[in-house]
Amino acid sequence: AQSVTQLGSHVSVSEGALVLLRCNYSSSVPPYLFWYVQYPNQGLQLLLKYTTGATLVKGINGFEAEFKKSETSFHLTKPSAHMSDAAEYFCAVRFDRGSTLGRLYFGRGTQLTVWP
Amino acid sequence: EAQVTQNPRYLITVTGKKLTVTCSQNMNHEYMSWYRQDPGLGLRQIYYSMNVEVTDKGDVPEGYKVSRKEKRNFPLILESPSPNQTSLYFCASSLFFPAKTGGGTSNYGYTFGSGTRLTVV
Repeated sequence: AQSVTQLGSHVSVSEGALVLLRCNYSSSVPPYLFWYVQYPNQGLQLLLKYTTGATLVKGINGFEAEFKKSETSFHLTKPSAHMSDAAEYFCAVRFDRGSTLGRLYFGRGTQLTVWP
Repeated sequence: EAQVTQNPRYLITVTGKKLTVTCSQNMNHEYMSWYRQDPGLGLRQIYYSMNVEVTDKGDVPEGYKVSRKEKRNFPLILESPSPNQTSLYFCASSLFFPAKTGGGTSNYGYTFGSGTRLTVV
């Protein structure tokens, strides 16, 4: 069965510190991987995605993520947190095989708090 | 502007009163989907559609119906809403076979609507 796990429902960092949000997936087929951000009372905004090619993916607002097949991971990082990064972050995975073709599965989300 | 439009943004209703949340996209996407978002549970898929007249259940379909009579529209219907359907709902659309457009898998992506916050009392 396919699944997406985000480790840590809440992460707190100081402004200027490294942001690391973890995402692992389980799948027997190569996935397509996404990170979305949701600011308070807003919809979902795509931060970045991995489909094929380079495993280190750069997104908007200084975020990047690395696909590590051996670890089945797609962790999101940002070298220096900003107050405006405070939001909820969702990892999502698409598995294109059989009954899951086209479907997007989400992790439970990680709420990022940034302290001044 | 390419977008997914959901209406209404906010809705308060009473138990048992049928309601419809509309979703429309202007990107000619084959694939459309409905999700509900609940605290601590992330987004869970309710129903999805791979093209006109082709719909299937997601992970939490109970109490919901959908239809896909036109490519651009994918309404979510609650025939008899109950309080446990109080949630934030999102509609999304995507190219189903991005390779057809020549963009390859780089076109894999989902566009989300702004959400509908539903309260059932």
